[in-house]
Amino acid sequence: GAVVSQHPSWVICKSGTSVKIECRSLDFQATTMFWYRQFPKQSLMLMATSNEGSKATYEQGVEKDKFLINHASLTLSTLTVTSAHPEDSSFYICSAKVGSQPQHFGDGTRLSIL
Amino acid sequence: QKEVEQNSGPLSVPEGAIASLNCTYSDRGSQSFFWYRQYSGKSPELIMFIYSNGDKEDGRFTAQLNKASQYVSLLIRDSQPSDSATYLCAVNNAGNNRKLIWGLGTSLAVNP
Repeated sequence: GAVVSQHPSWVICKSGTSVKIECRSLDFQATTMFWYRQFPKQSLMLMATSNEGSKATYEQGVEKDKFLINHASLTLSTLTVTSAHPEDSSFYICSAKVGSQPQHFGDGTRLSIL
Repeated sequence: QKEVEQNSGPLSVPEGAIASLNCTYSDRGSQSFFWYRQYSGKSPELIMFIYSNGDKEDGRFTAQLNKASQYVSLLIRDSQPSDSATYLCAVNNAGNNRKLIWGLGTSLAVNP
């Protein structure tokens, strides 16, 4: 149980394009989803917390207009990196939880902007 | 600043030994404690969670929580080379029950 699916696994695209990443909870309804970013050999950095049907809460320093989060249902959240640039290249990971249960992570999306 | 601290390592143990990973936290209001394992290039995977003082065992893993001393530890018995990974400690509290505060992780190397 508690499977979280994240797509795509890899994205390579040109600078200036927008990239959408999907995060789905497959066998449970997630009350909360999280989006993290991780640079090589660094720890997880929480970008935003997302609750179904409400606006995401962004961490300090994360541009909400650049990283658009939509949480349309209890099983789906999307992160769109708008007008991506090389410095946005990173490993993006989502997680989902229900109530006070632990967070379960998707497999991550490796984003490379050329 | 609410913090979670871990020794970055690397912690090196021989195969079959017990690996002991430690984590301290600063917020006395913390109520939930988690250990995640992360292999290089992969996403974190939940290993253990503990809410009450004392020990919690699951197979080769034991989580230990001491709220008075504000530390939580993870013991791995009969360590295997496949246990080699970074172990992340994460904590949250009743005041912000959704967001985890993460440690930077301890790198564990189990040598055959």
